[in-house]
Amino acid sequence: DGGITQSPKYLFRKEGQNVTLSCEQNLNHDAMYWYRQDPGQGLRLIYYSQIVNDFQKGDIAEGYSVSREKKESFPLTVTSAQKNPTAFYLCASSTGTGARSTDTQYFGPGTRLTVL
Amino acid sequence: AQKITQTQPGMFVQEKEAVTLDCTYDTSDPSYGLFWYKQPSSGEMIFLIYQGSYDQQNATEGRYSLNFQKARKSANLVISASQLGDSAMYFCAMREGYNQGGKLIFGQGTELSVKP
Repeated sequence: DGGITQSPKYLFRKEGQNVTLSCEQNLNHDAMYWYRQDPGQGLRLIYYSQIVNDFQKGDIAEGYSVSREKKESFPLTVTSAQKNPTAFYLCASSTGTGARSTDTQYFGPGTRLTVL
Repeated sequence: AQKITQTQPGMFVQEKEAVTLDCTYDTSDPSYGLFWYKQPSSGEMIFLIYQGSYDQQNATEGRYSLNFQKARKSANLVISASQLGDSAMYFCAMREGYNQGGKLIFGQGTELSVKP
């Protein structure tokens, strides 16, 4: 089955720790994205990547880092510099490079991060 | 200024009736795409329907249709014959032509509850 997987589903972190959220897709999509969702809110873009070994900051990149060493994988690291990391994190990938209006983003099931 | 506005925080509809979820948008880009996503309580974002700014006809996908009024900058989602499984959060989103590699801008969402 083609799709996007995210792990873990739930993640607990102590303050001051870095954690890495996994995102894998087997849809052969070029573009991948990380969004953050806070309770009662829409999604906000953290980082995106249109091609392997290249990525760009989104609207709220501070305190986060990413890598794109393989087409299938786009892990997100939430660093200790992120002041309020408790949120729901969603990974997406898109047809084409995501630059055309018609490119549709498909989402993974999400990771719920809680800082203790 | 808000680029995507969903003015209905919550909506109720009787099973088997139709319901319209409102979305207005703001952009100066002539080329853009409008998307609707469904987010059930599990958290995953499910793509429902897409409308391109140059599309002459309103988009339809099964029970979903998009009432696109370009001059009014509105892109309302119509769900016909509501089912109990339609109860979820619904998000309207926009991608502007070639902006930021395909970033989606989301509204705040509308929570739909379908009554039996």
